[in-house]
Amino acid sequence: EDKVVQSPLSLVVHEGDTVTLNCSYEVTNFRSLLWYKQEKKAPTFLFMLTSSGIEKKSGRLSSILDKKELFSILNITATQTGDSAVYLCGSGGGADGLTFGKGTHLIIQP
Amino acid sequence: DTAVSQTPKYLVTQMGNDKSIKCEQNLGHDTMYWYKQDSKKFLKIMFSYNNKELIINETVPNRFSPKSPDKAHLNLHINSLELGDSAVYFCASSPPTSGRAPRLYFGPGTRLTVT
Repeated sequence: EDKVVQSPLSLVVHEGDTVTLNCSYEVTNFRSLLWYKQEKKAPTFLFMLTSSGIEKKSGRLSSILDKKELFSILNITATQTGDSAVYLCGSGGGADGLTFGKGTHLIIQP
Repeated sequence: DTAVSQTPKYLVTQMGNDKSIKCEQNLGHDTMYWYKQDSKKFLKIMFSYNNKELIINETVPNRFSPKSPDKAHLNLHINSLELGDSAVYFCASSPPTSGRAPRLYFGPGTRLTVT
């Protein structure tokens, strides 16, 4: 059975701090790992990582995949209150969908 | 404009009832899914449906059944609702994977409350 584990499960930091969210995976026939952000409604896509060692970047967010050690990290620099959300990591091998971790609940305090 | 839509957004019903949630996508995707999210935000796949092939998560009770009238629709029917079915149900769709994991496009969710 595919397994995705995220840590920490919750995190409270102050505005301006840098955070690192972790995701490890054990997936049969691994293809990619995806990060999503969920605020009050549906998860929204952040990154898809397929190749090891290549950083994906979007503004203050960046992510990288290590296929040897089977993990990924999501970094957020200069955090803002709008970054407060649940961050979900998911992985899978094909058309049977993604297996998600339990998410990291991130709270940014002003 | 809505890519993946679900109805209703909220559903409150009593134990033992039968209910359906509808999902439609206008993205032209071939694969659709149902996910259940519990109160702790854990998102778990229930079904995926691709070209009439249904893949079922073995932990899903057989009271839950997906029905797909066509490629753009995947409805979820639930029989004999139980308290533990209370959750947010997300429909999603994905384009062809091209050798990668599917990128999911989620609907807005349906919050089901069973009393």
